[in-house]
Amino acid sequence: AQKITQTQPGMFVQEKEAVTLDCTYDTSDQSYGLFWYKQPSSGEMIFLIYQGSYDEQNATEGRYSLNFQKARKSANLVISASQLGDSAMYFCAMREGEETSYDKVIFGPGTSLSVIP
Amino acid sequence: DSGVTQTPKHLITATGQRVTLRCSPRSGDLSVYWYQQSLDQGLQFLIQYYNGEERAKGNILERFSAQQFPDLHSELNLSSLELGDSALYFCASSVDSGEYRHGYTFGSGTRLTVV
Repeated sequence: AQKITQTQPGMFVQEKEAVTLDCTYDTSDQSYGLFWYKQPSSGEMIFLIYQGSYDEQNATEGRYSLNFQKARKSANLVISASQLGDSAMYFCAMREGEETSYDKVIFGPGTSLSVIP
Repeated sequence: DSGVTQTPKHLITATGQRVTLRCSPRSGDLSVYWYQQSLDQGLQFLIQYYNGEERAKGNILERFSAQQFPDLHSELNLSSLELGDSALYFCASSVDSGEYRHGYTFGSGTRLTVV
């Protein structure tokens, strides 16, 4: 069965500093994908970044990068140069199966990030 | 605006009642997903529809049902409501043709309160 673990319920970071949010996953599939989503206090879910299990390079999207360590089954999100608007809940998610399938993406419990001025 | 429209935004109803949540996916997206977000359970996958057909089922209760119509909009029906059904219900959509790298597009959710 799939499982996503986010061990940091809450994190604080100084504005303009970098922060790493941890995510470990458990799957027996060889083909899978990992997502990170952001949920601000307003409630909407915002897609940040995606990493495929066969991707040779770590994914990057602007200030977001994913530190993917396949052997350790970890997919940590790194946010560089934190901004006040980065304060939100962050969810790690995973889908299993063929690359054209979105079926049954599951989400971790989330990490609450607070950026301090 | 994400392009995924959910109505209503807020819903307050009594125990034992039935409600219908509606979702219009982003233009061109064929897949619709329903999620329930509560404080104790987190984000739980309920069900997925692709082009009108059920494709995947998650932790959806028997009291809950969903469907996707020919125009691709979807409805989630919740019946015999209990206090524990109070949650934020999200609809998300995707093209489902290999664009997984763009993730799902979520709607703003329907906040259901059962009193």
